[in-house]
Amino acid sequence: QKEVEQNSGPLSVPEGAIASLNCTYSDRGSQSFFWYRQYSGKSPELIMFIYSNGDKEDGRFTAQLNKASQYVSLLIRDSQPSDSATYLCAVTRNTGFQKLVFGTGTRLLVSP
Amino acid sequence: SAVISQKPSRDICQRGTSLTIQCQVDSQVTMMFWYRQQPGQSLTLIATANQGSEATYESGFVIDKFPISRPNLTFSTLTVSNMSPEDSSIYLCSVTPGDGREAFFGQGTRLTVV
Repeated sequence: QKEVEQNSGPLSVPEGAIASLNCTYSDRGSQSFFWYRQYSGKSPELIMFIYSNGDKEDGRFTAQLNKASQYVSLLIRDSQPSDSATYLCAVTRNTGFQKLVFGTGTRLLVSP
Repeated sequence: SAVISQKPSRDICQRGTSLTIQCQVDSQVTMMFWYRQQPGQSLTLIATANQGSEATYESGFVIDKFPISRPNLTFSTLTVSNMSPEDSSIYLCSVTPGDGREAFFGQGTRLTVV
């Protein structure tokens, strides 16, 4: 079982729709959860992080965390073609706050 | 936040040679991290570089292949030694300034070994 699992996609949504990206993790001791966006050929850029159960909203983005189910998601409202990228879920290991374990990423395609 | 300058941005190298990648941060940080992203794959942590001590390597990565230096709190280097085509990847450095809850990445070094 992979430590962090994501559906590789691609996830295709029309412009203006809500894109829902999902991630599950295996280490129950994971402390922090991150969503990164990576455009082709570029380095990852942080979108959001979440530590506590529930929802966290930032603009068009909402991160949702359910530690009991070991599940974290990212919702993108009013999706734009510029949101087309690979979205990486990352978690920190129980033993360290700062080492990130990444999922393989979900490729999102937003069509005009 | 942190501004990270990583050099070179890309290189094409001959097999059997070595390449040293530099990472410069605009603020002092305790730990710096080196990741590898193989083509079509996600990021894998190579090692953690602490100032004043030996780097800590993850399973599957060894110091002889990926020696790391960390001479001060704003700079680190990663060397990819005795390269083979399998080492063709993007290499990224990362830091977690402040309380360590956010990680920031350099622009990455795209390495091609021929």
